Amino acid sequence: EMQLVESGGGLVQPGGSLRLSCAASGFTLSGNWMNWVRQAPGKGLEWVANIYKDGSEGNYVDSVKGRFTISRDNAENSLYLQMNRLRAEDTATYYCVWRNDFQFWGQGTLVTVSS
Amino acid sequence: DIQMTQSPSSLSASVGDRVTITCRASQAISNYLAWFQQKPGKAPKSLIYTASSLLSGVPSRFSGSGSGTEFTLTISSLQPEDFATYYCQQYKSLPLTFGGGTTVDI
Repeated sequence: EMQLVESGGGLVQPGGSLRLSCAASGFTLSGNWMNWVRQAPGKGLEWVANIYKDGSEGNYVDSVKGRFTISRDNAENSLYLQMNRLRAEDTATYYCVWRNDFQFWGQGTLVTVSS
Repeated sequence: DIQMTQSPSSLSASVGDRVTITCRASQAISNYLAWFQQKPGKAPKSLIYTASSLLSGVPSRFSGSGSGTEFTLTISSLQPEDFATYYCQQYKSLPLTFGGGTTVDI
């Protein structure tokens, strides 16, 4: 069974950092783009970042450029999102999503940025 | 950035109804369009990619059509489990963008 399991979310103060992880099982991440998408409470979906299959290219939405870094470890079948200088507006559930056509989603991890 | 506009933002329907949701892109995206279903408290689930390709396991009552700037998601006969919010998304160019969502309720 295909699974994507995110972890690493939690409560953090403004200006703090968190590292999200996404572990795949039942299939391999390598060979496909991977994405992070977030959803603020009660709001719609927002693409955050993606990364090429070998990790050589990463792209970001403007609001997180310079603060977030996407990475992957194909040997570990995992995806990561390092989030620095967090702001209140980064509060959201973060999903990892497989493929550039978003065919499979994890269950999400909640990040709350608050003092 | 490519803006994705869904209409309507919400609709009320009954079991057995035919439901159509429209998604318009602010510029041409060929067929680089996906549709997702999200139920309250759950992660989105992919239904359709490349505008009209149904993912494995998705009921055949769901269908997608369109190309360029105008797309539709159709549910041919609404079932109780279909009451949810639906999103479109373009993956033609960065930043990848989603529509605002359409909530289908009773």
